[in-house]
Amino acid sequence: AQTVTQSQPEMSVQEAETVTLSCTYDTSESDYYLFWYKQPPSRQMILVIRQEAYKQQNATENRFSVNFQKAAKSFSLKISDSQLGDAAMYFCAYSYTGTASKLTFGTGTRLQVTL
Amino acid sequence: GAGVSQTPSNKVTEKGKYVELRCDPISGHTALYWYRQSLGQGPEFLIYFQGTGAADDSGLPNDRFFAVRPEGSVSTLKIQRTERGDSAVYLCASSFPGRYNEQFFGPGTRLTVL
Repeated sequence: AQTVTQSQPEMSVQEAETVTLSCTYDTSESDYYLFWYKQPPSRQMILVIRQEAYKQQNATENRFSVNFQKAAKSFSLKISDSQLGDAAMYFCAYSYTGTASKLTFGTGTRLQVTL
Repeated sequence: GAGVSQTPSNKVTEKGKYVELRCDPISGHTALYWYRQSLGQGPEFLIYFQGTGAADDSGLPNDRFFAVRPEGSVSTLKIQRTERGDSAVYLCASSFPGRYNEQFFGPGTRLTVL
């Protein structure tokens, strides 16, 4: 079974600074997707960034980028130039590249952004 | 609507009662998922529909939980004889045909069982 582990329950960053959230996963599959989702107090899960395992290049979306280390099964999220609106729960998630594959989530990291 | 909608937003019920939670996916999305998020945890998969049929219900915790999607659009998650341990946020997500790894989530229903 696939597992996703987020070992940082809480992180804090100052506005305009950079923060990295950690995630490790376990799978026996060779092709899969990894995701970072943001969940603000409104509860709605918002996709931040997605990485396909067969792509060696790390995904980037504006201020968000990942460091994908397939051999180490590590998938960290870097947020640059942090903004107050980045404060939320962040979940790392995995899915197999099959038709309509379910997501397996980690336990989340609460990110606080301070002035 | 523009996004996935879920009703009610909050539901409070008493132990032993029956509840129904509704999910209205994005128009044209044939895949629909239900997840349950307990306090302090990440969402856990419950069931997945492709069209009208449940393609994977391996996450349903027991036979008190049941979900339907009779016309391939709106889905209802039904919980019989609710228990206090069923208290959680129930999230629904949908995805477009061929783009199953892009799931769009609704705001969830917070269920509280007293």
